[in-house]
Amino acid sequence: EDKVVQSPLSLVVHEGDTVTLNCSYEVTNFRSLLWYKQEKKAPTFLFMLTSSGIEKKSGRLSSILDKKELFSILNITATQTGDSAVYLCAVCGSGAGSYQLTFGKGTKLSVIP
Amino acid sequence: DSGVTQTPKHLITATGQRVTLRCSPRSGDLSVYWYQQSLDQGLQFLIQYYNGEERAKGNILERFSAQQFPDLHSELNLSSLELGDSALYFCASSGGQINQPQHFGDGTRLSIL
Repeated sequence: EDKVVQSPLSLVVHEGDTVTLNCSYEVTNFRSLLWYKQEKKAPTFLFMLTSSGIEKKSGRLSSILDKKELFSILNITATQTGDSAVYLCAVCGSGAGSYQLTFGKGTKLSVIP
Repeated sequence: DSGVTQTPKHLITATGQRVTLRCSPRSGDLSVYWYQQSLDQGLQFLIQYYNGEERAKGNILERFSAQQFPDLHSELNLSSLELGDSALYFCASSGGQINQPQHFGDGTRLSIL
């Protein structure tokens, strides 16, 4: 059974701080690892990682994957209050032709002004 | 706006009843996925359809069923509802090919009284 563990479960920081969110996984037939940001409604897609060691970057957010050690990190620099959300890590694996996602329970980030 | 449309946004009903949730995928996406999000379980994969055919099943109860129509919209049918079925139900869509991220709708919040 595919499994995703995120840490920490919650985090409170001040504006301007840098945070690192962790995601470890066990998956059969790994295809990709995805990060989503969930505020009040839909999870919003951030990154998809398929190869080890290649950093994906979007503004103040960046993420990297280590397929040997089976983990990924999501970094957010110069945090803003708008970054407050639950960050979800998911892995895509298993069955031929099926690309279902297995999600972790998320890291709740609160950024204080 | 992800381009995935779910209706209704909220649904309140009683135990034993049956409801239908509807999802329209992003333009051009052939694959539709249904997920259930509850406070204790996180986001759980239920079922995937690709171009009208069932592709994969997750932790979907026998009381639940889904289908995808020729115009690619999908419906999730929940019957003999129990209090424990109260949750947020998300639909996601993707092109259906490997390494294409899923994009989520805003969800339907189902409350069973």
